[in-house]
Amino acid sequence: EAGVAQSPRYKIIEKRQSVAFWCNPISGHATLYWYQQILGQGPKLLIQFQNNGVVDDSQLPKDRFSAERLKGVDSTLKIQPAKLEDSAVYLCASSFLAGGPTEQFFGPGTRLTVL
Amino acid sequence: LAKTTQPISMDSYEGQEVNITCSHNNIATNDYITWYQQFPSQGPRFIIQGYKTKVTNEVASLFIPADRKSSTLSLPRVSLSDTAVYYCLVGDGGFQKLVFGTGTRLLVSP
Repeated sequence: EAGVAQSPRYKIIEKRQSVAFWCNPISGHATLYWYQQILGQGPKLLIQFQNNGVVDDSQLPKDRFSAERLKGVDSTLKIQPAKLEDSAVYLCASSFLAGGPTEQFFGPGTRLTVL
Repeated sequence: LAKTTQPISMDSYEGQEVNITCSHNNIATNDYITWYQQFPSQGPRFIIQGYKTKVTNEVASLFIPADRKSSTLSLPRVSLSDTAVYYCLVGDGGFQKLVFGTGTRLLVSP
């Protein structure tokens, strides 16, 4: 079974530039998550999709971050404009079930450096 | 949201049993307890999940007392490859947001 795919793996940009990350979840997984992990900290949930609908985006900085999952499969996360404090690893995860306890499968992440 | 408290770091030697305790005083009735492992430059990986008493799988055991206000992840006979950060999470895993803390950094030495 293929895992969660993310691209690119690394990205370096200047502040105020824009950047986009792509995630393809495990086939058949209805729930997709985007996390931000700053060095030395645990992952912080940015947004959670159930199919193509948003379940939780309470911690997404909506003035600069946006995410979509148009067909309920793959997803993109965009930052525009980027700030220095956005330097982090952006992790995508997916899970099969929507309700009840469910295991999340994580991708390898995209390491973003904002200069 | 149930908050968890774990030791920041632990040290062990190969072959020893390691027990990492997590405190979650505000756990809700519907919450499960889940542990993830994370190696450098990788995403977290599910280890084990439980609701009460004891759960065991091929890599770990999870002990949960009756009051469910804490839980203990037990790793039998650790090896160097178990050096990682271990996260304890509580939640119902559905539409409720799962919150990762700072985790416990386990270092296994020869």
